[in-house]
Amino acid sequence: EAGVTQFPSHSVIEKGQTVTLRCDPISGHDNLYWYRRVMGKEIKFLLHFVKESKQDESGMPNNRFLAERTGGTYSTLKVQPAELEDSGVYFCASSRTAIAAKNIQYFGAGTRLSVL
Amino acid sequence: DQQVKQNSPSLSVQEGRISILNCDYTNSMFDYFLWYKKYPAEGPTFLISISSIKDKNEDGRFTVFLNKSAKHLSLHIVPSQPGDSAVYFCAASRFYNQGGKLIFGQGTELSVKP
Repeated sequence: EAGVTQFPSHSVIEKGQTVTLRCDPISGHDNLYWYRRVMGKEIKFLLHFVKESKQDESGMPNNRFLAERTGGTYSTLKVQPAELEDSGVYFCASSRTAIAAKNIQYFGAGTRLSVL
Repeated sequence: DQQVKQNSPSLSVQEGRISILNCDYTNSMFDYFLWYKKYPAEGPTFLISISSIKDKNEDGRFTVFLNKSAKHLSLHIVPSQPGDSAVYFCAASRFYNQGGKLIFGQGTELSVKP
């Protein structure tokens, strides 16, 4: 079974540009999460999809961030326009169920975003 | 306001000894806790979890202890092996549920010396 895959693994862009990150969850996992880790700090929740619907987007920093999950399969996270503080590692995770006791989230390797 | 805290950024242990990683939380609504391990350039991988109705959960060399009154949990690794060297993240969630989102600590980098 393939794991969670993220693309690209690393992106370097200039301030003001647009970047789109992609996540392919494990097949059959309805729950898809985006997290971000900035400068060695804690991993912070951004949002949660159940299939194609946004269940919780309380962690999205501002309206420069747009996440989509068309058809309930892969997801994209677009940052437009990117700012310096957006730099960090963006992780995607998926799980079969959101019930806490069974909610083992499987993480991708992350996309390291550097905004110069 | 950080709800999950790992106050030790790093820990160094000799191979064969016990590693103890600590985690504190502030939100009494959390009722499910997890530990994830992360190697460089990889995503976090699930290690072990515990429900708030328990005070201990064991899986091989890994044991997690939960002290609800102190809002504290710890991960014990016995015996420690060089392959355990990684960053360990403590995470918490609510059962009834905020969609299963995980609240993570800052991580503790464990180094196991041969």
